[in-house]
Amino acid sequence: LAKTTQPISMDSYEGQEVNITCSHNNIATNDYITWYQQFPSQGPRFIIQGYKTKVTNEVASLFIPADRKSSTLSLPRVSLSDTAVYYCLVGDMGEAAGNKLTFGGGTRVLVKP
Amino acid sequence: EAGVTQFPSHSVIEKGQTVTLRCDPISGHDNLYWYRRVMGKEIKFLLHFVKESKQDESGMPNNRFLAERTGGTYSTLKVQPAELEDSGVYFCASRAWNNEQFFGPGTRLTVL
Repeated sequence: LAKTTQPISMDSYEGQEVNITCSHNNIATNDYITWYQQFPSQGPRFIIQGYKTKVTNEVASLFIPADRKSSTLSLPRVSLSDTAVYYCLVGDMGEAAGNKLTFGGGTRVLVKP
Repeated sequence: EAGVTQFPSHSVIEKGQTVTLRCDPISGHDNLYWYRRVMGKEIKFLLHFVKESKQDESGMPNNRFLAERTGGTYSTLKVQPAELEDSGVYFCASRAWNNEQFFGPGTRLTVL
């Protein structure tokens, strides 16, 4: 499974856009890029997933360049409740691979008032 | 729709004792996963069930850990005998047909 590298922590302020970049130089052809969010004392929660180019949902956007060696999670206009740990995961999401998730250290995002 | 539930939320036991953790997945989810985070480490995969069958148990640390999913509904993870290094948070997740895994709140296990 591809190893991921992301910042340990980031600070932001309410209303700002937060961009978290994840490096995954060894990503394989079958690998997808998935982001999870985790609040204290809770399990991780799926945010977004993509394979290439750009994906957007009601929560975030995911930008993936053509070489797929990195990806950027963009959180628009964050609020205090967006303070959490954000995990970038890369792996084969096919049924044969089992869809098991490999977590790294994550990025601890602190949103200040 | 109820989410993934785990019981107990917290368990404190002494070294050498036995503990059984339970996970109730979202109804209809055939895929069930166990993960754990031990102190200071990253969340690690333990095993994956498809219905009642173990699809992948490559992450199980040793034979003190036994997971079951009789009938393909809820799952249990038993640790016997528990050791100090087993302390951590044990997460269960379930998945339907797509790629999104839904996690439970976790069980915090403390082995004294």
